[in-house]
Amino acid sequence: EAGVTQFPSHSVIEKGQTVTLRCDPISGHDNLYWYRRVMGKEIKFLLHFVKESKQDESGMPNNRFLAERTGGTYSTLKVQPAELEDSGVYFCASSPQVGWNYGYTFGSGTRLTVV
Amino acid sequence: DAKTTQPNSMESNEEEPVHLPCNHSTISGTDYIHWYRQLPSQGPEYVIHGLTSNVNNRMASLAIAEDRKSSTLILHRATLRDAAVYYCILSRGSTLGRLYFGRGTQLTVWP
Repeated sequence: EAGVTQFPSHSVIEKGQTVTLRCDPISGHDNLYWYRRVMGKEIKFLLHFVKESKQDESGMPNNRFLAERTGGTYSTLKVQPAELEDSGVYFCASSPQVGWNYGYTFGSGTRLTVV
Repeated sequence: DAKTTQPNSMESNEEEPVHLPCNHSTISGTDYIHWYRQLPSQGPEYVIHGLTSNVNNRMASLAIAEDRKSSTLILHRATLRDAAVYYCILSRGSTLGRLYFGRGTQLTVWP
C-alpha cells in the first residue's frame, strides 16, 4: 500500500507570501494529523482531523495557519502570510482509527524555508 | 505536555543488543508509552507501544517498569539501518490522537 505522501518536499518562499502544503494520507485512513518541527525544537502537534472534521486544533500556532480536509481525503495546510519563524519541517501522519492498537504512519515531511 | 527524559545519544556495535531507556515519572494511569524512530530525511516511524505489560513485535521489545515511571526499548540485534533518533512518547488518554515528542536519543551503530 502507498504510504503517506506529502508535497512539495521542499519550499522556499519570501516572508509575507502564501504557501500551501498538501498531505495525502493512506487510503481509508479517517484520521489525519499535522505536526511540525521548527529549528532546534521538538516535533509539535498542530491538529487532528477525523474525516473532514477538525477533532483537535489546539496546536495551531495562530490564525495565519489554515488546515482543510475537504471530502475527508487529502488535507492542505496553508500559511498566509508566512513569517520567518514558520520555517521548519511539517509532517503529516494518518491512522485508520484513534486508539493505541495502531501506530501512526508519517510522511517524509515538507521542509519550509521562509526568507 | 506529557514529559519524558531520554539520553541525548547512545552507541552500539552491529549485531549487539541495544537498551534505550526512558523516564516518565509523571505518567498517569491512562497514558500509553509509544516509541517512534526517525531516520535522516524521513518522518517518524512507529516502533512499538504499550500500557502496562511488556510488549514484543518484529521490530523490538518494550519493557515497562512495574511502577510505569520508566521503560526500555530493546533492539535485540542492532543493524546499521537502526541508526536513528528514537523517541519515547506518552499519549494522554484524554487527548487521543496527540503525541508529545521529546528530544529523543540519537542511536549510532558501528559496523
